[in-house]
Formats: sequence, C-alpha cells, structure tokens
Amino acid sequence: AQSVAQPEDQVNVAEGNPLTVKCTYSVSGNPYLFWYVQYPNRGLQFLLKYITGDNLVKGSYGFEAEFNKSQTSFHLKKPSALVSDSALYFCAVRDDTGRRALTFGSGTRLQVQP
Amino acid sequence: EAQVTQNPRYLITVTGKKLTVTCSQNMNHEYMSWYRQDPGLGLRQIYYSMNVEVTDKGDVPEGYKVSRKEKRNFPLILESPSPNQTSLYFCASSLYPPHGQGAFSNQPQHFGDGTRLSIL
Repeated sequence: AQSVAQPEDQVNVAEGNPLTVKCTYSVSGNPYLFWYVQYPNRGLQFLLKYITGDNLVKGSYGFEAEFNKSQTSFHLKKPSALVSDSALYFCAVRDDTGRRALTFGSGTRLQVQP
Repeated sequence: EAQVTQNPRYLITVTGKKLTVTCSQNMNHEYMSWYRQDPGLGLRQIYYSMNVEVTDKGDVPEGYKVSRKEKRNFPLILESPSPNQTSLYFCASSLYPPHGQGAFSNQPQHFGDGTRLSIL
C-alpha cells in the first residue's frame, strides 16, 4: 500500500522569507516522490522528483526538496519566497514494488504575503 | 505547443443526463489518466490507459467509463451522473506509464486545465 500526507492545509509566509511545505509518505518498497504545483484555474504542473541518488533535489522556479528516508519525508523548500509562489502544492508518491500509479496528498495552500 | 486539452471547462447538468468530457493530447504520449479533485482529498485516480485499447480502473472508478480508441484521445463518460460526481476533473498524460521501476517509468505527467462539473 502507498499513502502520502500533507499535514498543513495552509502555510503562510512573508515574501523574502524561507518556506517549507511538509510531506510524509508510506510505501512498501522504495519511494518515488514528486511535487506538483497548481495555480488558479489551471492543471497541475510538475516541480521536481526524487527517484534515487542525492537526497537534495532541485526543481523548477528555485524550489528544492529533501528526501529523508528515516523520517519518511520529502519536504518542499525555497530559500526566499515570492508572492507569485502563492498556489496549491501537491506531494505525490509511488511505490516501486507494485503496479499502482501515483497517490497524491490532499494539497497545501501556500500564501506568500508582500 | 505541447498540451492536454479538456472540454468543456465548465458544465452544469442534471442527474441522469449522460455526459462526456473529452481529453486530447498532442505529445504522442502512451499513458493517459483521469483524476477528480475534491477539497481535502487531493487528486484521486478514476481510470487510466497504458496505451490504445488498454484501460484499467483507478481508485474511484464507480459511475465512470472511458475509452481509448486513438492514442491522442481519452474521453471520460458519465452514463448516469449523480450529485456525488460534482467535482473538478483533470486529464493527464505522460510519455510512459508510471508503473514498474526505472527512469522511464517516472516521467512527469502533463495535466489539462480541468473541467468543473456540477450535477444538480
């Protein structure tokens, strides 16, 4: 079985401050992990993924995510938030042992205040 | 421009009136999928297709049908819509199916802009 949890419905941060959006997962085998972003009235856009290798993954728009196997987490981070980063963020996971496709989290709304 | 196109973007209809939401991709992708997005539940997969004439159920297939007669099109059919199918629907595609192991199985999915269905 595979599952993913995003414990925060909303994250508020001031522009210029660092941001973190949390994600934890559960899989039977090795995880493949993804972050997607959704802007209003648009579909999801791919940000970054972790498949294997370096635990720190860099993605689009200055975002990065850190894979932590012992804590089963894949938190999304950015050193300096922009107002334009305000959007809905989804974490997704896939188990490499099964035939299941992606399981998405419930989403976290990021609000960056000017 | 590479894209996934869904139509209609918005639809209000009544219980029991059959409807079809079309999805088309111009990237020659093998894998296509339908999701519904509901508040607090994230995206849940309805059906997916690994290639032409190959479709399979996702996590919430009840009340839906799909077909994949051509590689580019993957329509979602609600034969007898009910109010609990009121939702925001997304079609997605990727070059290869996200199953199995390896880099080829982890291509990013491309999403359409969504279809908001209201069933009264």
